[in-house]
Amino acid sequence: SQQGEEDPQALSIQEGENATMNCSYKTSINNLQWYRQNSGRGLVHLILIRSNEREKHSGRLRVTLDTSKKSSSLLITASRAADTASYFCATPQGTGGFKTIFGAGTRLFVKA
Amino acid sequence: GAVVSQHPSRVICKSGTSVKIECRSLDFQATTMFWYRQFPKQSLMLMATSNEGSKATYEQGVEKDKFLINHASLTLSTLTVTSAHPEDSSFYICSATSGGALSSYNEQFFGPGTRLTVL
Repeated sequence: SQQGEEDPQALSIQEGENATMNCSYKTSINNLQWYRQNSGRGLVHLILIRSNEREKHSGRLRVTLDTSKKSSSLLITASRAADTASYFCATPQGTGGFKTIFGAGTRLFVKA
Repeated sequence: GAVVSQHPSRVICKSGTSVKIECRSLDFQATTMFWYRQFPKQSLMLMATSNEGSKATYEQGVEKDKFLINHASLTLSTLTVTSAHPEDSSFYICSATSGGALSSYNEQFFGPGTRLTVL
């Protein structure tokens, strides 16, 4: 079963605008990861944020984590057409946290 | 960084045939590998977890006799879709973790996926 719910399910913006995607999860976690997937391709790991971190940056990406609300957000600043992809949050589950469960994903479309 | 490959990248087969998909960790030893299935415009659904040298653990609702998983070495896991039918058409993705120095906080490394089309 899927752990995370993401919103919006789809997002269409103009190049240069910022894109914010949200993810909620149900159980306690020790980290949360964000991935990008271009259409029909494999996953690209974007960023991992640990449960003791509240915010993390990587280039144009900013991820926040609120463990009290069991939610995370991914902000892409100054978006580009090449950012068009699906974005998934993922959390570890199971004994030892070895299984990774993915959220439903947000499909981002950046118009040039 | 760690690299995981899958072969083939794309396969088309007739209904009733079996298809084997390979997942290899190229530069690290993968103690655990995972198999996911992804239908169009949907998220990745975990099918099973396989540990080297032991039987795979399947998620609820996944038929173990239909999706045979073998993790015979620390660098190779295979998924065989037996007696494939059109409803098995999907994108299959594997991932691997070493559980060691390369993998902090259970970070996984994903393969590029295999597109299976069953006619």
